[in-house]
Amino acid sequence: AQKVTQAQTEISVVEKEDVTLDCVYETRDTTYYLFWYKQPPSGELVFLIRRNSFDEQNEISGRYSWNFQKSTSSFNFTITASQVVDSAVYFCALSEASYDYKLSFGAGTTVTVRA
Amino acid sequence: DTGVSQDPRHKITKRGQNVTFRCDPISEHNRLYWYRQTLGQGPEFLTYFQNEAQLEKSRLLSDRFSAERPKGSFSTLEIQRTEQGDSAMYLCASSSRGGGTEAFFGQGTRLTVV
Repeated sequence: AQKVTQAQTEISVVEKEDVTLDCVYETRDTTYYLFWYKQPPSGELVFLIRRNSFDEQNEISGRYSWNFQKSTSSFNFTITASQVVDSAVYFCALSEASYDYKLSFGAGTTVTVRA
Repeated sequence: DTGVSQDPRHKITKRGQNVTFRCDPISEHNRLYWYRQTLGQGPEFLTYFQNEAQLEKSRLLSDRFSAERPKGSFSTLEIQRTEQGDSAMYLCASSSRGGGTEAFFGQGTRLTVV
């Protein structure tokens, strides 16, 4: 069974600080996909980034970056130079190739960025 | 607006009543999903359509729940004989295919059963 754990419930930072969100996953599939979504107060889940299990190259996209390590089953996400508009709940999610219609989400981490 | 739209955004109903929610996916997407999200939790998968065919249903989807996607376009989710435990946000999403393609979510329908 697939499982996603986000150990951090809430994170509060001051604007311009960096924020790193932790995500640990469990899966038996060798091919899987990892995602980060953002849910602002409006309720809509917004897709941020995706990573395939066969590509461990870490990347930076604007103020977002991620660290994917298969050896520790972790897929951490960093927001650089946080802004008030980054305040939201962030979800890590996993999709296995054998069940590619289903996303399994973690419980989410609430990020509050203070001015 | 070319995103996923859901209607209504909010629904308050009395216990025992039936409710129906609608989802209009992104037009070119053939895959449609329903998720349920309770307070403080991540969304949980309910069901999945590919075109008009409902291909998977979670055990969370009791026999009081039914979903349809006639003609492979919009979808409806009906809950019969609502219970207080049904109070949640119901999210709809769509994607063009599977295999790790990102799903795009609507803003959800928040159901409150009183």
